Formats: sequence, structure tokens, C-alpha cells
Amino acid sequence: EAQVTQNPRYLITVTGKKLTVTCSQNMNHEYMSWYRQDPGLGLRQIYYSMNVEVTDKGDVPEGYKVSRKEKRNFPLILESPSPNQTSLYFCASSSPSRREGYTFGSGTRLTVV
Amino acid sequence: GESVGLHLPTLSVQEGDNSIINCAYSNSASDYFIWYKQESGKGPQFIIDIRSNMDKRQGQRVTVLLNKTVKHLSLQIAATQPGDSAVYFCAENRGLDSWGKFQFGAGTQVVVTP
Repeated sequence: EAQVTQNPRYLITVTGKKLTVTCSQNMNHEYMSWYRQDPGLGLRQIYYSMNVEVTDKGDVPEGYKVSRKEKRNFPLILESPSPNQTSLYFCASSSPSRREGYTFGSGTRLTVV
Repeated sequence: GESVGLHLPTLSVQEGDNSIINCAYSNSASDYFIWYKQESGKGPQFIIDIRSNMDKRQGQRVTVLLNKTVKHLSLQIAATQPGDSAVYFCAENRGLDSWGKFQFGAGTQVVVTP
């Protein structure tokens, strides 16, 4: 089944403790992206990647890092999480065919206390 | 419609009626638009897309209209069903050289009543 898989689904952590949210896709897509979703603000793009070793900032990249060492994986790294990063995070992937946009994962709900 | 506040605009629709969800987009250079549906506890799912060189596209029970003059997008759902209850987002791809930089609207909550 074609899918984007994120882990974990739920995570509670403390301020300053580094964490990584993993994302993997099995569709051989070139493009991958991370979004965060907050009430009333829709989805805001954090980072995106056009291919292996090629990444660029989205609209809200502060406090986040990404890497794209393999085509299928695109982990999101929070080096020093803060409470304002409490959010619902989605990973997504897309082909460059310019059809159907992104396929999204099921989301990771992160709480930073 | 769009909202910059904490509360999503809500569209309440009776089962069987048609729904119209509106979206204003921001960038006149955007070349591609998508409507997504998000059910509770799930990620957004693709519904229908439209390119900037079109003004209308139809799918199964859904129609997207694009008015580039006023930068407005709408989604029409025919014969709305209980399974259509969800949050609907429009998204724009911001230009030919920036595929993947999709910007989303704040969303509209659709509630289908019996």
C-alpha cells in the first residue's frame, strides 16, 4: 500500500530534550515536506526537500532541522524543543508530476512541557 | 472561507443539499491549486486539483472553480452526505519554479446534519 509513515503518533517531552520524528514513504517520491497544524492557522510548511541532499526552508523553519540522506526518509529534528512547538505535525511526499500535490502521513501530536 | 482567528469558519449543510466552500488565495503567481479533506484524527486527503490555465474542473460529486481575477477558489459538493463532514483546506503551489511549496488556507469545517 502506498503510504507515508510517521513515528511516533504521540509524543510528550520536556523543554530542551532533543527529539526526532521519523518519516518514510514507499512511493519513490522526490519531494517530501513537513507541516505543522495549529488551531485556526491551517497547515504551515516547516521544511521541504526536492530530492536527496536538497532541502529548503518553508514558512516556519525556526527551531527545526531536517535531513534527506535517503530518498524514502525525511526525519524532523527538534534540537531543543520549546512549548511553542507543541503542535500536530504532518509529513508528506509528492512526485514532480504536478498532480495531486502531497500525500500526507497520519500525523504526530507533539506536546512539549 | 478563510480565517486568521482561532476558530474555523463552519458550514452547516443538510444532508442531500449542495455545499459551497470558498477560499481566497494570496499569490497571483500560483499555478496549481488543490482541495484537501481532513477527517478527525487523520492527515489531509486529496479531493481535486486545478491548474491556473483552467477555470473549472469536475470530479465525482465535486467541482472546483477558479477565478484568477479575484484570486478566489471554491469547492462545490453535490448531494452532501454524512461522510462529507470534515475540515476542508485549499492549497496553492506558489509558482512554476517552486513545486512543493504548498501554502494552505486556514480551513472550513463542514458539518452535515440529517
